[in-house]
Amino acid sequence: EPEVTQTPSHQVTQMGQEVILRCVPISNHLYFYWYRQILGQKVEFLVSFYNNEISEKSEIFDDQFSVERPDGSNFTLKIRSTKLEDSAMYFCASSVVAGGGEKLFFGSGTQLSVL
Amino acid sequence: GIQVEQSPPDLILQEGANSTLRCNFSDSVNNLQWFHQNPWGQLINLFYIPSGTKQNGRLSATTVATERYSLLYISSSQTTDSGVYFCAVVIPPGNTGKLIFGQGTTLQVKP
Repeated sequence: EPEVTQTPSHQVTQMGQEVILRCVPISNHLYFYWYRQILGQKVEFLVSFYNNEISEKSEIFDDQFSVERPDGSNFTLKIRSTKLEDSAMYFCASSVVAGGGEKLFFGSGTQLSVL
Repeated sequence: GIQVEQSPPDLILQEGANSTLRCNFSDSVNNLQWFHQNPWGQLINLFYIPSGTKQNGRLSATTVATERYSLLYISSSQTTDSGVYFCAVVIPPGNTGKLIFGQGTTLQVKP
């Protein structure tokens, strides 16, 4: 079965540094997402992306966050100046259609630790 | 906003036992999905089930959209079923695909 691939699996960074989390969605999918999960808590929506633009973002997704699809296969999440509270598991997801149509497929996540 | 509540929060079973996990949601939804987060943190999509009943091996799920709940049944549980089970919904119009997750049910299956 096709998979969503995320790299790296673990990322350790110093507070204030920029990080880029990378994802390769399933090839025929059109909708792309980032979610995060702080340790022991529920999964939270960050942003959805379709047709090369953000279609919805949460309150968490402030000016420090950005997303990009730099080519036909990669989808990235950038955090410009990391804070301690950005430490979390970050999941990329993709789907063929949005909303009512289908399953969302998640990658294995990137565990981000900000020191 | 919509509330997604799961029960029970924690569940301990002996291997071979059956269980039912519940997800209640406070408003109409376009889409409901069940996920299993294994001990390594991976989120595995179990079911896309906005209404009706589906079965996949020892797992089955039923959503009664008009009454705003969904149930996940696990039969003959195995230790590999351990982990956290999340339900997640998409609210109308749903054209951005944003999923709202419940807090999860943590299941431990003992050998």
